[in-house]
Amino acid sequence: DQQVKQNSPSLSVQEGRISILNCDYTNSMFDYFLWYKKYPAEGPTFLISISSIKDKNEDGRFTVFLNKSAKHLSLHIVPSQPGDSAVYFCAAANTGNQFYFGTGTSLTVIP
Amino acid sequence: GAVVSQHPSRVICKSGTSVKIECRSLDFQATTMFWYRQFPKKSLMLMATSNEGSKATYEQGVEKDKFLINHASLTLSTLTVTSAHPEDSSFYICSARDRTGYNSPLHFGNGTRLTVT
Repeated sequence: DQQVKQNSPSLSVQEGRISILNCDYTNSMFDYFLWYKKYPAEGPTFLISISSIKDKNEDGRFTVFLNKSAKHLSLHIVPSQPGDSAVYFCAAANTGNQFYFGTGTSLTVIP
Repeated sequence: GAVVSQHPSRVICKSGTSVKIECRSLDFQATTMFWYRQFPKKSLMLMATSNEGSKATYEQGVEKDKFLINHASLTLSTLTVTSAHPEDSSFYICSARDRTGYNSPLHFGNGTRLTVT
């Protein structure tokens, strides 16, 4: 049972525009959420996280939004750059060490 | 930032042989490390949680006798795929947290591409 879902397998965005990646989760006990970026044949790289006590966290061009009532989080990248092209995974965790990952969204930023 | 090093990055082995993958935390101590497997176009699947000085905890459906995990020190965990078969071909990734407790991210190694012929 997939507790973290990324319903869009791919996304294409023009350079300079905003990229919005979405993620839904089903377990209301999750209280820590993360986004990772992954290039082919490499491990995921941590990008940004948010705890459930917040609804927004910003780090440079990356902003994560959390809507707990909708069990939805999103990652905004502004402005998008060609180097942002990668697969993005969202993840959720509860008080334990267990992290649950989505299936990923492949972002292509077109120059 | 926290660095996790994984070796080898790529290995090809014959069916029936065993392969060992190393995962090291380079600039922090990790009492717990995690081993993931990624199938093509699929999510990261947690295989097992490796605990320093004690037995690993395996996820349901993961054969502990096939995927041997040893966490002998605070900076090293190894995964040995025993009697490998072609269906074991996959991308294996280890990870660790650089601090215990709450709200700290997992840091991943660069993964190991295993191909069993």
